Amino acid sequence: DIQMTQSPSTLSASVGDRVTITCRASQSINRWLAWYQQKPGKAPTLLIYMASSLQSGVPSRFSGSGSGTEFTLTISSLQPDDFATYYCQQYDSYPHTFGGGTKVEIK
Amino acid sequence: QVQLVQSGAEVKKPGASVKVSCKASGYTFTGYYIYWVRQAPGQGLEWMGWINPNSGGTNYARNFQGKVTMTRDTFITTAYMELSRLGSDDAAIYYCARGPPRGYCSGGSCYSEHWGQGTLVTVSS
Repeated sequence: DIQMTQSPSTLSASVGDRVTITCRASQSINRWLAWYQQKPGKAPTLLIYMASSLQSGVPSRFSGSGSGTEFTLTISSLQPDDFATYYCQQYDSYPHTFGGGTKVEIK
Repeated sequence: QVQLVQSGAEVKKPGASVKVSCKASGYTFTGYYIYWVRQAPGQGLEWMGWINPNSGGTNYARNFQGKVTMTRDTFITTAYMELSRLGSDDAAIYYCARGPPRGYCSGGSCYSEHWGQGTLVTVSS
């Protein structure tokens, strides 16, 4: 199985900060990577697919980049609504494994 | 709009089975794969597999083979996930999710675009 490693596991930031989350795959997944946001008690929501394509309705402050084994999710200016946990997922090969998550907390 | 509405919380005894439903509406049910993902309390997301509602074909993660059965009823646009021989480590929230339109990915190998609200399964004697 492909292992997905996210870092950091927790991130403390302030409103307005630029935030970057990294996701590394144990082998190349081309650009078959998605990012999700999850708030407490809620289902995940899709932010980014194909590594860098913004899902419809997602604010443009979210962006994704990378290919192969290293990917990043960037929030250009953190907003109060962005405090949540973020997960990456590879869909290159089965099983479609998720990263362990990055919790973005208020500093 | 696309909606996936899951069945309510379940409490099961160890060794029992549970069947979770996922009622789809707002789109052509047979046109999109349904994925199942679970989340143990305080933990991350675990991909379980998919069902192709058109053909009934399935793909299960190795960890769940022999334990999970995914089915669908196209007449009532509902997908089901049944988990057998429940143990304490099966206590989790189970989510169904729908894939994107065709052309975005290769077959069932895709991300999840729309999610159900989740179903809490508790395993307790």
